[in-house]
Amino acid sequence: EAEVAQSPRYKITEKSQAVAFWCDPISGHATLYWYRQILGQGPELLVQFQDESVVDDSQLPKDRFSAERLKGVDSTLKIQPAELGDSAMYLCASSLQREVNTGELFFGEGSRLTVL
Amino acid sequence: GQNIDQPTEMTATEGAIVQINCTYQTSGFNGLFWYQQHAGEAPTFLSYNVLDGLEEKGRFSSFLSRSKGYSYLLLKELQMKDSASYLCAVTDSNYQLIWGAGTKLIIKP
Repeated sequence: EAEVAQSPRYKITEKSQAVAFWCDPISGHATLYWYRQILGQGPELLVQFQDESVVDDSQLPKDRFSAERLKGVDSTLKIQPAELGDSAMYLCASSLQREVNTGELFFGEGSRLTVL
Repeated sequence: GQNIDQPTEMTATEGAIVQINCTYQTSGFNGLFWYQQHAGEAPTFLSYNVLDGLEEKGRFSSFLSRSKGYSYLLLKELQMKDSASYLCAVTDSNYQLIWGAGTKLIIKP
């Protein structure tokens, strides 16, 4: 069964360091999402791609976060410098639907970030 | 503003039935999702409602009333593995997905 791949699964870093997360969506899924989820809360959208184009990055803290999906397949989310408040689960999801948010999202296992 | 309300936590007994409610106030509506999320894991899709009424899928059913801005997820014949958080999410008129904070369901033997 096809899955969304994410790495690393866990990351511990010190504040002010750089962190990068990688996501490979299910083959053929045009839409890719990066979410941040703090314990006890719902996912918060950071950035949404349709193929290689950014559809929504209104909630992405652009002074420290960046995301790219250069060939419209896999994607990287970077944080530089990391801050204590960035400690969270970073979830990648993909969807077959080109009309965004009208179909099932398939989530990867997530990357748990701890900033010390 | 846009808002989704769900109870923070619910407790139920193994073998029983539980109903998790979700009310929403959003700018327009283009569908409502329910996801299940076990502790430390990613959400998995349970259901999608875009029309009023009840959608049944095995032990799980989801109901939608668009006029009332209301949905519920019904879980029957509860099993210990159903202990998880249940997330309600709504797609608004701009096709943005608005997430609730989730309901933590605790199943007791």
